[in-house]
Amino acid sequence: SQQGEEDPQALSIQEGENATMNCSYKTSINNLQWYRQNSGRGLVHLILIRSNEREKHSGRLRVTLDTSKKSSSLLITASRAADTASYFCATDQAGTALIFGKGTTLSVSS
Amino acid sequence: DGGITQSPKYLFRKEGQNVTLSCEQNLNHDAMYWYRQDPGQGLRLIYYSQIVNDFQKGDIAEGYSVSREKKESFPLTVTSAQKNPTAFYLCASSTGRNTGELFFGEGSRLTVL
Repeated sequence: SQQGEEDPQALSIQEGENATMNCSYKTSINNLQWYRQNSGRGLVHLILIRSNEREKHSGRLRVTLDTSKKSSSLLITASRAADTASYFCATDQAGTALIFGKGTTLSVSS
Repeated sequence: DGGITQSPKYLFRKEGQNVTLSCEQNLNHDAMYWYRQDPGQGLRLIYYSQIVNDFQKGDIAEGYSVSREKKESFPLTVTSAQKNPTAFYLCASSTGRNTGELFFGEGSRLTVL
């Protein structure tokens, strides 16, 4: 089934640096969403970008969407240790349920 | 506070036993979902329900069953037919309109001994 694939699988940075993670998907979508998961916890919604949008901001988060390349990127600026988590992109499938990628594990060290 | 409650948080089961995971929401959401997560993996969709008394299979429904008798509740039964049930199970809900934002519970970790 359609699934977003995140890249890289793991990312280690220092506090204050920016973190960029990418997501690619296979078929047309209505929207793409990014979620965060702290270890052993449930997922938390970060941002939703619709197929007719190219860029969206929320605080230190910036998401871009390129439907011609079927890809999206999530940028976290000025990373903090508290940003350490796994990040997942999710795409809708036939407008019924979200399909998730395998995620990027971000580690921010102080 | 509004949210989704999953229970139990940890569950141990012997092989051959069925087990039921509870998921309750007080967000007045129409749609509810069950996902399975294995270590280092993404979420895979087991079942979803967009309305009471109706549900659909996801990508990995074999060995699982669900019911949706009430809007607030969407329990998942892991049957003995599920060959590799040890995993982290996540329940989610949404308003059901246009696959918008999902609200997740804290998960249930099932270990088969």
